Amino acid sequence: DTGVSQDPRHKITKRGQNVTFRCDPISEHNRLYWYRQTLGQGPEFLTYFQNEAQLEKSRLLSDRFSAERPKGSFSTLEIQRTEQGDSAMYLCASSHGETQYFGPGTRLLVL
Amino acid sequence: AQTVTQSQPEMSVQEAETVTLSCTYDTSESDYYLFWYKQPPSRQMILVIRQEAYKQQNATENRFSVNFQKAAKSFSLKISDSQLGDAAMYFCLSQGGSEKLVFGKGTKLTVNP
Repeated sequence: DTGVSQDPRHKITKRGQNVTFRCDPISEHNRLYWYRQTLGQGPEFLTYFQNEAQLEKSRLLSDRFSAERPKGSFSTLEIQRTEQGDSAMYLCASSHGETQYFGPGTRLLVL
Repeated sequence: AQTVTQSQPEMSVQEAETVTLSCTYDTSESDYYLFWYKQPPSRQMILVIRQEAYKQQNATENRFSVNFQKAAKSFSLKISDSQLGDAAMYFCLSQGGSEKLVFGKGTKLTVNP
């Protein structure tokens, strides 16, 4: 049984560039969540999918952020025109019920 | 708005001793879940324990137990017989209806040998 995987694990980019992260949930988990975690803080909820439907979006998710889960399996999170303030760990989690299982995260550094 | 407060930024405990981490929350939901997650340094979040708000009985998982006080909106985590491997950041999560998900800022636990 493989857990939640995320790719890449680390990403360094220059301000203004676009980046895309991928999350592969545990198979048969119909719910998928994205969070952002900055140093010394708890994860902040960004968005949530049930199957392919994006059901909830945080106000933190500016129009530069977009997430998709086209076939109800893996998901992508894209950040357009990155800013230095986007530097953070981006966490993905999946669940079948209420308990979420987290991936290792993608650490983004915007220079 | 839902809030979760972890009032102890850092805690330390001697190996084999017991420590309690505090968490208070505020929600208007009648049906919600509470969780404690552990995040070791540079490693991923791991579920420690969960509590359904409708259950009066406190959840227990081996050395980990909670003291759930619904009226006081308090959800503390007790770690018994602390081990070196328990050292980590501990986060409290409140999960309410419509997937309202709020984490606390975390408590850094140090276990001294």
